[in-house]
Amino acid sequence: DGGITQSPKYLFRKEGQNVTLSCEQNLNHDAMYWYRQDPGQGLRLIYYSQIVNDFQKGDIAEGYSVSREKKESFPLTVTSAQKNPTAFYLCASSPGRGARYEQYFGPGTRLTVT
Amino acid sequence: SQQGEEDPQALSIQEGENATMNCSYKTSINNLQWYRQNSGRGLVHLILIRSNEREKHSGRLRVTLDTSKKSSSLLITASRAADTASYFCATDQGGKLIFGQGTELSVKP
Repeated sequence: DGGITQSPKYLFRKEGQNVTLSCEQNLNHDAMYWYRQDPGQGLRLIYYSQIVNDFQKGDIAEGYSVSREKKESFPLTVTSAQKNPTAFYLCASSPGRGARYEQYFGPGTRLTVT
Repeated sequence: SQQGEEDPQALSIQEGENATMNCSYKTSINNLQWYRQNSGRGLVHLILIRSNEREKHSGRLRVTLDTSKKSSSLLITASRAADTASYFCATDQGGKLIFGQGTELSVKP
């Protein structure tokens, strides 16, 4: 059963703690993406990766970090430097880079930091 | 860097009616995509239309693209309660997909 999984669905953290969100895909896609969505808003790109061991900053990368050690996995760490981390985080993948391809989304992780 | 802007922000219709959502963008594009998002879920891809295409159909969905006006529309015909969701257009900008803020569609039974 192919797809993208994100875990956990809900995550609660205290302010000042780093937290890592998981994203795994078994679609054999080269490109993977992390987006942030705030209530009533569209998606904003945090980081993206076109190939293993390579990734680029998106529009709102400050306070976040990623790694791409395996093709299937693209974890996102929300660091204590992120000023307003409470949001809905979506991971996506696509067969290739850029907007020529449709993106496949995971179910999302809702992070609440208090 | 906002590229696509949807209009209206919210739309409420009765089951069986048609729903039309519009998307305007600022810079030239190679293609435009539409996605649906049910509340609290991930996005689902609906249609991709290329810049050299004017219209595309998929089931009850019809997408048009007018590159001269830098706009696209998504028409859902004979809407159902299950169509209740947010709909986003997304355009390419520098190789990245930029999403608009979405239209929230409510279809009442």
